[in-house]
Amino acid sequence: SYELTQPPSVSVSPGQTASITCSGDELGDKYACWYQQKPGQSPVLVIYQDSKRPSGIPERFSGSNSGNTATLTISGTQAMDEADYYCQAWDNSPVFGGGTKLTVL
Amino acid sequence: EVQLVESGGGLVQPGGSLRLSCAASGFTFSSYWMSWVRQAPGKGLEWVANIKQDGSDKYYVDSVKGRFTISRDNAKNSLYLQMNSLRAEDTAVYYCAREDSMYFDYWGQGTLVTVSS
Repeated sequence: SYELTQPPSVSVSPGQTASITCSGDELGDKYACWYQQKPGQSPVLVIYQDSKRPSGIPERFSGSNSGNTATLTISGTQAMDEADYYCQAWDNSPVFGGGTKLTVL
Repeated sequence: EVQLVESGGGLVQPGGSLRLSCAASGFTFSSYWMSWVRQAPGKGLEWVANIKQDGSDKYYVDSVKGRFTISRDNAKNSLYLQMNSLRAEDTAVYYCAREDSMYFDYWGQGTLVTVSS
């Protein structure tokens, strides 16, 4: 079965750039998307089709996908961005990465 | 405004059954694939099942095949998940989610299912 691998945790200082990776076999040949989930809340789509932002998502969120790795980049990270982030792709069925806890400190 | 509201969760004994519901509003429900996604306590997201717009196609993760059944009633704008032969490992928050081109653009607030004796 297809697997997506994310680092368990990433730390970033306020105002700096955070990068969260998602690795999978030939992931670049598929569309990747990203969800943000804050404690006690439902997931929120922040990037779809590799690099598109849904309405209402700040411009500091961006995405890319090439080769075996998709990357979520948060520029000028704010304290409110502290959350769990999940990548997702489709391989006959939806597949989620294990999630990355982003700490802003 | 798109809204997805789940209900039906609760405490059930191993081997028991539960039926989850998801009430949809704010969009043309019959035009979208719909999914159930679950999240065990402190764990990541896991897709469980999805269903085509007219209910003619249904797919499941291997771990629930033969035990869970997804269905929908487009006249009532509702999605369902019938869960039988429940196991401890089915304990999770179950989310209803709308599919759009291989991603989930709207999620409900979730309903907690606890399987324990």
